[in-house]
Amino acid sequence: QKEVEQDPGPLSVPEGAIVSLNCTYSNSAFQYFMWYRQYSRKGPELLMYTYSSGNKEDGRFTAQVDKSSKYISLFIRDSQPSDSATYLCAMSESGGYQKVTFGTGTKLQVIP
Amino acid sequence: GAGVSQSPSNKVTEKGKDVELRCDPISGHTALYWYRQRLGQGLEFLIYFQGNSAPDKSGLPSDRFSAERTGESVSTLTIQRTQQEDSAVYLCASSPSGTRGSEQFFGPGTRLTVL
Repeated sequence: QKEVEQDPGPLSVPEGAIVSLNCTYSNSAFQYFMWYRQYSRKGPELLMYTYSSGNKEDGRFTAQVDKSSKYISLFIRDSQPSDSATYLCAMSESGGYQKVTFGTGTKLQVIP
Repeated sequence: GAGVSQSPSNKVTEKGKDVELRCDPISGHTALYWYRQRLGQGLEFLIYFQGNSAPDKSGLPSDRFSAERTGESVSTLTIQRTQQEDSAVYLCASSPSGTRGSEQFFGPGTRLTVL
């Protein structure tokens, strides 16, 4: 079993839809949770960074962490074609210099 | 300021040759990571450097892979006697000090093709 599981998709939605991306994990020591967006042929870029359980909102993006269920989500409201990319969840045990474990990524396509 | 840069952006080599990939991290970032991303796959951790501590090499897939970092600056990933299964994008990331150390900033990657 992988430490972090993520549905690879692809996920195809119409423009304006609400998108839900999810990851599950097995390591209960994970405390820092991140979402990265990766456009084709580019390096990943950090989208959201959260600590422990709870919600964090940034514009059209909301990150949720449920440590009791070992489940994290990223919601994208009013999705745009420019949101079409691969979204990778990532997590680590501490916020310091630590190995970060990535999910395999979910490919999202937003259709105009 | 400048982001993480990597060179070359593309590298085509013949099986059995050695290759050297370079990463210039963001100035002042004390942690540096190397990952491998095969086509359609997630990020596979290779190695990370944290300040002056011994690097974590636990992700290197074989002894053909090695990496060095000079202080808190440039890092070089070397693959000896390349094999076709080494074909992938090699990504470098750097991370600032402090509590947000696991926030990583990625370079554009080096696309390696082994013929």
